[in-house]
Amino acid sequence: DGGITQSPKYLFRKEGQNVTLSCEQNLNHDAMYWYRQDPGQGLRLIYYSQIVNDFQKGDIAEGYSVSREKKESFPLTVTSAQKNPTAFYLCASKALSSSYEQYFGPGTRLTVT
Amino acid sequence: GENVEQHPSTLSVQEGDSAVIKCTYSDSASNYFPWYKQELGKRPQLIIDIRSNVGEKKDQRIAVTLNKTAKHFSLHITETQPEDSAVYFCAARAGTALIFGKGTTLSVSS
Repeated sequence: DGGITQSPKYLFRKEGQNVTLSCEQNLNHDAMYWYRQDPGQGLRLIYYSQIVNDFQKGDIAEGYSVSREKKESFPLTVTSAQKNPTAFYLCASKALSSSYEQYFGPGTRLTVT
Repeated sequence: GENVEQHPSTLSVQEGDSAVIKCTYSDSASNYFPWYKQELGKRPQLIIDIRSNVGEKKDQRIAVTLNKTAKHFSLHITETQPEDSAVYFCAARAGTALIFGKGTTLSVSS
């Protein structure tokens, strides 16, 4: 799990501002994922990407955007259109070979006031 | 799409007792079912997983069972210890993405 990094650990923003969360992995994994975690809600899928320059919406993509210009990087932008952006955001990655295991980064806690 | 239900949402046991957490899934095509443990403020960590061609898997004090016909799977923790206290998530793989249950907060008191 040490091969996935997210920065920063804590992030504070004013309402109406866009903010970008970083996710980098050095595991040579093809697939990368973004989840949002709220108390009592589990982990909900925002976006995922299986290859460079391609990504798909998850269950709660509205108000978020992503890019996948490099295999090792999958940044998430929380836009001002996201109504309730305060949450814990987790990035994950997985090899597309026979491995099934999905590894998580340490997370970024975003607070918007 | 896939939907995963997890019960109970909270579970309190005495040290040494067993704990059981149950999940149901909706997509019969799902073929991979992992369980993650998350301690407060930390990332989820995989503790055990099972694939659809297996009915049961054990790893020391933890075991997972899968009933494909009924579309449910369970996590069993025996001889619980205070360090088992955490939030546990089940998940099912539908296509390339994992869909998670809402989590169970397990508290083990000594």
